[in-house]
Amino acid sequence: TQLLEQSPQFLSIQEGENLTVYCNSSSVFSSLQWYRQEPGEGPVLLVTVVTGGEVKKLKRLTFQFGDARKDSSLHITAAQPGDTGLYLCAGDPGANNLFFGTGTRLTVIP
Amino acid sequence: SAVISQKPSRDICQRGTSLTIQCQVDSQVTMMFWYRQQPGQSLTLIATANQGSEATYESGFVIDKFPISRPNLTFSTLTVSNMSPEDSSIYLCSVGQLHSGANVLTFGAGSRLTVL
Repeated sequence: TQLLEQSPQFLSIQEGENLTVYCNSSSVFSSLQWYRQEPGEGPVLLVTVVTGGEVKKLKRLTFQFGDARKDSSLHITAAQPGDTGLYLCAGDPGANNLFFGTGTRLTVIP
Repeated sequence: SAVISQKPSRDICQRGTSLTIQCQVDSQVTMMFWYRQQPGQSLTLIATANQGSEATYESGFVIDKFPISRPNLTFSTLTVSNMSPEDSSIYLCSVGQLHSGANVLTFGAGSRLTVL
């Protein structure tokens, strides 16, 4: 089992603040993905990164894949209440299935 | 991306009973995956369901407890057998697709089971 540790596990911030979520592993992945899950729904894909060192921006969200393809970070600028949810990283070892991280539950307080 | 319908969306079950969860996809897909999400936790893969062959189960999950059917390329079922309170979880169906050069997943909304 390839373990993906996310930190922090819980995060509660005020609207307008910035935050960073980390996803770390000792394993190398062919790609790393970030999903967001809201209550009563399944996880929804936010982004996929496939190249070591790659940085992708999605509006106020910035995703980075580590040079060694073992870790990733998600940075949110000026968080809004709509960003509230469970953030999950997922690593693809190249075997047609994904290993999900331990999750970060974000609450943005208006 | 694919649209996935799962049912039931939620159910309350008695200990010792079994429940079958259905997953319908609006397009033909090769691989379907069943995940479990225990309360407040992340996702754990139960099994991979391929059409025309036996499902492949992950460590800690067995066919007798979680039998899976995959009769065609758009449908699958997961049965949770002889349920106990420890089986109270969200069960999620997903399909794999290529996106930006990677294998990504699209999920159904999940089936929340509470076992009393």
